[in-house]
Amino acid sequence: RKEVEQDPGPFNVPEGATVAFNCTYSNSASQSFFWYRQDCRKEPKLLMSVYSSGNEDGRFTAQLNRASQYISLLIRDSKLSDSATYLCVVNLNDYKLSFGAGTTVTVRA
Amino acid sequence: ETGVTQSPTHLIKTRGQQVTLRCSSQSGHNTVSWYQQALGQGPQFIFQYYREEENGRGNFPPRFSGLQFPNYSSELNVNALELDDSALYLCASSSVDTQYFGPGTRLTVL
Repeated sequence: RKEVEQDPGPFNVPEGATVAFNCTYSNSASQSFFWYRQDCRKEPKLLMSVYSSGNEDGRFTAQLNRASQYISLLIRDSKLSDSATYLCVVNLNDYKLSFGAGTTVTVRA
Repeated sequence: ETGVTQSPTHLIKTRGQQVTLRCSSQSGHNTVSWYQQALGQGPQFIFQYYREEENGRGNFPPRFSGLQFPNYSSELNVNALELDDSALYLCASSSVDTQYFGPGTRLTVL
């Protein structure tokens, strides 16, 4: 079983729509959680950390469910610039980040 | 921008050759991690260096090796290149648990 699994999508949504997707992780001892954004042929960039209490950054909301071992990301009022691959990332220990394969989101005009 | 730089940006090698990729970490970061990202996949952890010592390693063979220097910059060396080594190689620097990525080196093995 993969350490981090994501729905690859693609999610095709119109501008202004809300889109949400999850990822699941296999190791219950995982310590910290992140969403990274990756544009085509570019490096991953940190979008937000994910906390147990849930957190929001503008139009982006992340939730962590430790009991069910899943993480979610919700994007409200989608913009064209939100089109990217969103990588779910789990920190298993002090040094290793485990990445999902990514969820592709395309926002259309 | 993250302040993490990598060189070269692109590289073409043939099977059996050796390659060295370089990374300069963000100022103040003493930890560098290396990842391999094949097309359509998420980055896979290769290893991490902390204060010039290897601090952890992923599931990669010994022909993947590295170094970290006193200024915390780092090198990734790959010997006996194989076709499957074609990928984007990313380095990330960190001081606590958040890692910031450089632009990557795209390696093509022919």
